[in-house]
Parts: sequence; structure tokens; C-alpha cells
Amino acid sequence: QKEVEQDPGPLSVPEGAIVSLNCTYSNSAFQYFMWYRQYSRKGPELLMYTYSSGNKEDGRFTAQVDKSSKYISLFIRDSQPSDSATYLCAMTQGGSEKLVFGKGMKLTVNP
Amino acid sequence: KAGVTQTPRYLIKTRGQQVTLSCSPISGHRSVSWYQQTPGQGLQFLFEYFSETQRNKGNFPGRFSGRQFSNSRSEMNVSTLELGDSALYLCASSLNQRLAGPDTQYFGPGTRLTVL
Repeated sequence: QKEVEQDPGPLSVPEGAIVSLNCTYSNSAFQYFMWYRQYSRKGPELLMYTYSSGNKEDGRFTAQVDKSSKYISLFIRDSQPSDSATYLCAMTQGGSEKLVFGKGMKLTVNP
Repeated sequence: KAGVTQTPRYLIKTRGQQVTLSCSPISGHRSVSWYQQTPGQGLQFLFEYFSETQRNKGNFPGRFSGRQFSNSRSEMNVSTLELGDSALYLCASSLNQRLAGPDTQYFGPGTRLTVL
């Protein structure tokens, strides 16, 4: 079993839809949970991170972490065509730069 | 401020050859990490360097090696290339301030390596 599991999709939604992306993990030592966005032919860029359990909101993006279920989510409200990209979840134990990534979900938002 | 740069952007090699990839971190960043990205395995951590020392290592064979120079620039080397080494190799740099929360890693565009 991989440490981090993420449905690779692809996922296609109409503009304005609410998008839900999810990851599960097996290592209970993970403390920091991140979401990266990767456009075609680019490196990943950090969208947001959450420490331990709880929610974090940044504009149209909301990240949720449920450590008891080892489950994290990213919600995108009012999705835009510019949100079309691959979204990767990543986790780290903290005090370490080693990030463990999910495989990434390719999202397409259709105008 | 310039971002992370990686050279070359594209590379084609044949099995058995060796290759060296280069990464220039963001000015002032002292930590450099390398990742391999493939469709089958996703992004996998290779190693991390800080102040010219390897601080973390992923689960890759010894054919994969790296180093960091005093100006924080880093290189990774893959010897005796195999078909399965075809991938996008990403470099990421961070300040390594060790404040609350993980250091944000800034990724370069990657080097696309094709092994024939």
C-alpha cells in the first residue's frame, strides 16, 4: 500500500462547479498536509497547507484534514477554466523537507 | 526574483549512458530537493541537500546521486541509464528557515529525460 493514495481521474466539470479532490494516507506521523497545482509543462506550485486536523480557507479554495480518518480534501468553489491543472496532495512529517505526494488528479474546467 | 532554473529542459539518452542534470535555486535558498515524476509512480523524492550535505535520501538505487555546491546550486547524476529512468526530474528549493510550518518548496520546470 502506498503511503498516499489519490484518485488520478481525470475529472471534467463545467465552469462554476464545486470541485472536490481527496487523498487518503496511511502514515499517522504526517503532520503537514499540502496541495500543489501543476500546470502543463510547469513544476508544481504550493496552493495551501494545513497543520494537523481542521479546515483552512483561501479565497475559492478550502482544505480539510481529518487525521482520525487519515483523509484530506481540497474544495474549489466557483471553478474557472484557469483552474484546469493537475492537483497533487503532499504530506510531510515536519522537520523534514521530504514530501510524499499523491499521484495527482487532472482537472479540466470547461467554459 | 528569478525562480528555480533547471538545465537542460529536455534530454534524450540511450541505455547505459550517464546523465547530469543541473538546478539553480532561488537566490538565498539553501535547501535543494530532487524529485522524479512519472505517470505510473507520480512524484517521488530522490534526495535533499543543505549546505553541501545530503540530509535526506529517498528509496532509489545508488545509480542516482547528487551534490550541492557552495553557492547552493545542485546537480544530480544518473549512471547506467535504464528505460525506466525516463521521467520528469524536478528540483525544488526552499529557505529552510525552520519556522512554524514546513518550508515552502519552490519547484523548477523540470528536465524531461527520455532514455531510448
